[in-house]
Amino acid sequence: GAVVSQHPSRVICKSGTSVKIECRSLDFQATTMFWYRQFPKQSLMLMATSNEGSKATYEQGVEKDKFLINHASLTLSTLTVTSAHPEDSSFYICSAPSRVAEETQYFGPGTRLLVL
Amino acid sequence: KQEVTQIPAALSVPEGENLVLNCSFTDSAIYNLQWFRQDPGKGLTSLLLIQSSQREQTSGRLNASLDKSSGRSTLYIAASQPGDSATYLCAVPSGGGADGLTFGKGTHLIIQP
Repeated sequence: GAVVSQHPSRVICKSGTSVKIECRSLDFQATTMFWYRQFPKQSLMLMATSNEGSKATYEQGVEKDKFLINHASLTLSTLTVTSAHPEDSSFYICSAPSRVAEETQYFGPGTRLLVL
Repeated sequence: KQEVTQIPAALSVPEGENLVLNCSFTDSAIYNLQWFRQDPGKGLTSLLLIQSSQREQTSGRLNASLDKSSGRSTLYIAASQPGDSATYLCAVPSGGGADGLTFGKGTHLIIQP
């Protein structure tokens, strides 16, 4: 089946630094990808929709200048957490819809971010 | 704004029992509903997807039902096994088209050997 990968799987950084997370669709093309954030014991919250070749669409309350999204190719979307702070520590997960059946979404394994 | 609620938040049962997880959503204008499984510190595994025109879907020991008009779905797990221990998430599209999903907080399930 379709596979979505994320890199890195885990990252620890100092407060104030920027962290880039990659989301790749490995055997299919995705013009759209989604980024979610999950705090401990909470549900996944949609942060933004990444659109290949155009600007990302952000959900209400998500700062676009803090969470930079780039979808430079049909298989890669990146999320950059700029000037990270401890409150940004979370589990970040991306997903990509199937080209065959858009309602089927394939999720990446997630990236655990810890900001010290 | 769509909201998804899952009950119970946690459940612990002995191996072999049949169990039901509940999901409700506030906006019934959905075109599908999905159930996922999440293991600790891991991503999501899709279990079942029910289209709005369907009443239920089955996969092995799992059966999901959908009552769109009442805004409810249930996930039935038959003959539970310790390997079923995980968090089960219910999700519906946030809006129209190829859309992100709105998730419930999940049901944390523990199957005791």
